[in-house]
Amino acid sequence: GAVVSQHPSWVICKSGTSVKIECRSLDFQATTMFWYRQFPKQSLMLMATSNEGSKATYEQGVEKDKFLINHASLTLSTLTVTSAHPEDSSFYICSARVSGGNGYTFGSGTRLTVV
Amino acid sequence: GEDVEQSLFLSVREGDSSVINCTYTDSSSTYLYWYKQEPGAGLQLLTYIFSNMDMKQDQRLTVLLNKKDKHLSLRIADTQTGDSAIYFCAESGGMEYGNKLVFGAGTILRVKS
Repeated sequence: GAVVSQHPSWVICKSGTSVKIECRSLDFQATTMFWYRQFPKQSLMLMATSNEGSKATYEQGVEKDKFLINHASLTLSTLTVTSAHPEDSSFYICSARVSGGNGYTFGSGTRLTVV
Repeated sequence: GEDVEQSLFLSVREGDSSVINCTYTDSSSTYLYWYKQEPGAGLQLLTYIFSNMDMKQDQRLTVLLNKKDKHLSLRIADTQTGDSAIYFCAESGGMEYGNKLVFGAGTILRVKS
């Protein structure tokens, strides 16, 4: 089945540094990927929709300059958390819609801890 | 905007059936999904149902959809300890809504042996 590989699975960084999270579709092409953020014991909140070859579409309240999204190829989307702060600590998950199918496949998530 | 609500917690004994309920507000939803999330992991698609269906069965899983009441349920027969996880329902309006998924808050299922 369609697989989305997300790396790293966890990362600890210092305040003020930037962190890049990668999401790759392994056996299919994903023109659109979705980035979610999940706080402990809460649901997934859509942050942005990543479109291959064009600018990402951000949800209301999400700072586009802080959460940089790049979708340069049909199999790779990246989310960079710039100048990270402790409040950015969260679980980030990417997802891609499986073309021709009716489901969305998710990455395994990245646990970001900013100290 | 769209809203999806779920009960937050369900506790059952091993071998019993579990029923997780979900309500949604978007009448234009075309697909409704159930996902399972184990601790520290991503989401695993369990099943989905198209909005013109009212029931779908897949092994131990039965999905019931009442479109009039905008109510979705997931029944897990013969619940096992390995079913303990968070279950999310989600709805999608399809391509005209950018294929976005809107999730409920998740239901924590605890299975007691």
